[in-house]
Amino acid sequence: DQQVKQNSPSLSVQEGRISILNCDYTNSMFDYFLWYKKYPAEGPTFLISISSIKDKNEDGRFTVFLNKSAKHLSLHIVPSQPGDSAVYFCAASYNTDKLIFGTGTRLQVFP
Amino acid sequence: NAGVMQNPRHLVRRRGQEARLRCSPMKGHSHVYWYRQLPEEGLKFMVYLQKENIIDESGMPKERFSAEFPKEGPSILRIQQVVRGDSAAYFCASSPGSVEAFFGQGTRLTVV
Repeated sequence: DQQVKQNSPSLSVQEGRISILNCDYTNSMFDYFLWYKKYPAEGPTFLISISSIKDKNEDGRFTVFLNKSAKHLSLHIVPSQPGDSAVYFCAASYNTDKLIFGTGTRLQVFP
Repeated sequence: NAGVMQNPRHLVRRRGQEARLRCSPMKGHSHVYWYRQLPEEGLKFMVYLQKENIIDESGMPKERFSAEFPKEGPSILRIQQVVRGDSAAYFCASSPGSVEAFFGQGTRLTVV
């Protein structure tokens, strides 16, 4: 029972363009959503988060959008840089409980 | 201000041996989570602990796996009688009680 889904296993974007990573969830009780970035052989690094009471949160080049009615969130990276190439995980939580992760999307930013 | 420390980084065990994975949370963090990542898969929750208490172990296999977070010292994930299917990257994360969890670099377990 996959409560958090990332249906695109990979994404390739040209440097300078926008990267859009998508995530869907099934549990309407989730009240907090996070994005993590992971390089090979390293642990995930927290990137940005959003509470369910908001529909947008921005931090520099990274913006997360939340559509609660569609149970969908997305991460926008603009402009994309080669150093952004990594695996991005979407995660969700209910009532500060454990994080439930999606399966990840591998982003490749090429010159 | 050290981050979450996991050791060892790499662990090789023969089938039937025991594996012990250690995790020292960030200073001031009393919540510890263990996750497992199988090859080409996402992060699967295993167990959530606070000092001396297991809060949620719904992701732990019923047999051979155990976890503890004693009053003093690191959190330990213990796998008894390892099998090839236990080969994975095991990640520990800690938090002060907020939702954002900070991860260690992981322990890569290989069972031969």
